[in-house]
Amino acid sequence: GENVEQHPSTLSVQEGDSAVIKCTYSDSASNYFPWYKQELGKGPQLIIDIRSNVGEKKDQRIAVTLNKTAKHFSLHITETQPEDSAVYFCAARISMDMRFGAGTRLTVKP
Amino acid sequence: EAGVTQSPTHLIKTRGQQATLRCSPISGHTSVYWYQQALGLGLQFLLWYDEGEERNRGNFPPRFSGRQFPNYSSELNVNALELEDSALYLCATRRDEKLFFGSGTQLSVL
Repeated sequence: GENVEQHPSTLSVQEGDSAVIKCTYSDSASNYFPWYKQELGKGPQLIIDIRSNVGEKKDQRIAVTLNKTAKHFSLHITETQPEDSAVYFCAARISMDMRFGAGTRLTVKP
Repeated sequence: EAGVTQSPTHLIKTRGQQATLRCSPISGHTSVYWYQQALGLGLQFLLWYDEGEERNRGNFPPRFSGRQFPNYSSELNVNALELEDSALYLCATRRDEKLFFGSGTQLSVL
């Protein structure tokens, strides 16, 4: 089945800096790549997603890029704020099967 | 629109007992996914139900089972509980390719 690797496992940045989280996937048939944010005591929430026919997508301070040839995709958060502190998960979908990365704990220091 | 609801929020059991976790999907969503999130780890896929049928299961022993009811709600049952079953169990429902998560049931096995 699909295998998703996510790096780094922890990331600490100063408020206002950018944060980048990277994921790789194994199955070239994967066609949908969402990112989830999980705050303490809550379930993961979808923050942005990208389909395999698109190279980049932006939503305000958040962007995702996809390189299908290299089978990797990244989450970019600009102008980070303390409320961005959370665990972020990438995922890859093949057919109806969604597999997740191990997560990145992002800490934004004020 | 009400989100995915899970009950109970917390569940404490002793080793060898059985646990039953419940999930109510967003209205109109027919697919239910169950994930296990052990402390410090990512989301491990457990089970997928759609239209009352089990469609796929992850690499978990048979003592993890479940069902989906005609109203699309779902139960996850864990028999013969072991200490390592302690985790947050997340339910998600799907619309198109997007997954929407509940807040989870924190299962503690003593």
